[in-house]
Amino acid sequence: QKEVEQDPGPLSVPEGAIVSLNCTYSNSAFQYFMWYRQYSRKGPELLMYTYSSGNKEDGRFTAQVDKSSKYISLFIRDSQPSDSATYLCAMSSYSGGYQKVTFGTGTKLQVIP
Amino acid sequence: DAGVIQSPRHEVTEMGQEVTLRCKPISGHNSLFWYRQTMMRGLELLIYFNNNVPIDDSGMPEDRFSAKMPNASFSTLKIQPSEPRDSAVYFCASSWGVGSGTYNEQFFGPGTRLTVL
Repeated sequence: QKEVEQDPGPLSVPEGAIVSLNCTYSNSAFQYFMWYRQYSRKGPELLMYTYSSGNKEDGRFTAQVDKSSKYISLFIRDSQPSDSATYLCAMSSYSGGYQKVTFGTGTKLQVIP
Repeated sequence: DAGVIQSPRHEVTEMGQEVTLRCKPISGHNSLFWYRQTMMRGLELLIYFNNNVPIDDSGMPEDRFSAKMPNASFSTLKIQPSEPRDSAVYFCASSWGVGSGTYNEQFFGPGTRLTVL
C-alpha cells in the first residue's frame, strides 16, 4: 500500500464548476500537507500548504485537512480553463533530520470552456 | 532570479550508454533534491543534499545511479549504464533550509525527459 493515495482521474468539468480533489494517507507522522500544480511539460509549483487539521483559503482555492480521517482535499471555486493541469498532493514528516516530502501520483484536471 | 535550471531538457539514448543530468539551483538555496516522475509511481525522491553534502540517498534505485554536488551552484545525476526502465522525467528542486520545525517550499526545475531505447 502506498503512503499517499490519489485518484489519477482524469477529471473533466465545465468552466465555473466547483472542483474537489482528494488524497488519503496512511502515515500518521505527516505534519505538513501541500498541494502542487503541474502544467504539461513543466515542473510542479506549490499552490498552498497547511499544518495540522483545518481549512486554509487562498482566493479561489481552499485546502482542507482531516488528520483523524487521514484525508486531505483541495477545492477550486469558479474553475477556469487556466486551472487545467495535474494537481499533486504532498505531505511531509520529519525523517532522517529533515522534512521529507511524499507526493501523490497526481490528478489530471481539465476545465472545459 | 532565473529559477532552477536543468539541462538537457530532453535526452534520448541507447541502453548501456552513460547519461548525465545537470542542475543549477536557485542562488542562496542550501538544499537540493533530485526526483524521478513516472506515470505509475508518480514523483519519487532519489537523493537530498544539504550544504552540498548528500544527506538521504535511500531513494537511489541502484548502483547505476550516482549524484554529486561539487559546489552550491551545481549538481549532477549520472546513470551508468542506462536501461529502458530508467525512462522518466527527472526533476531537480531546491529550497532554503529544511529544518524540523517548518516546511520549506521546494522550487522545481522544468525537468529532463529521458528516453532510453
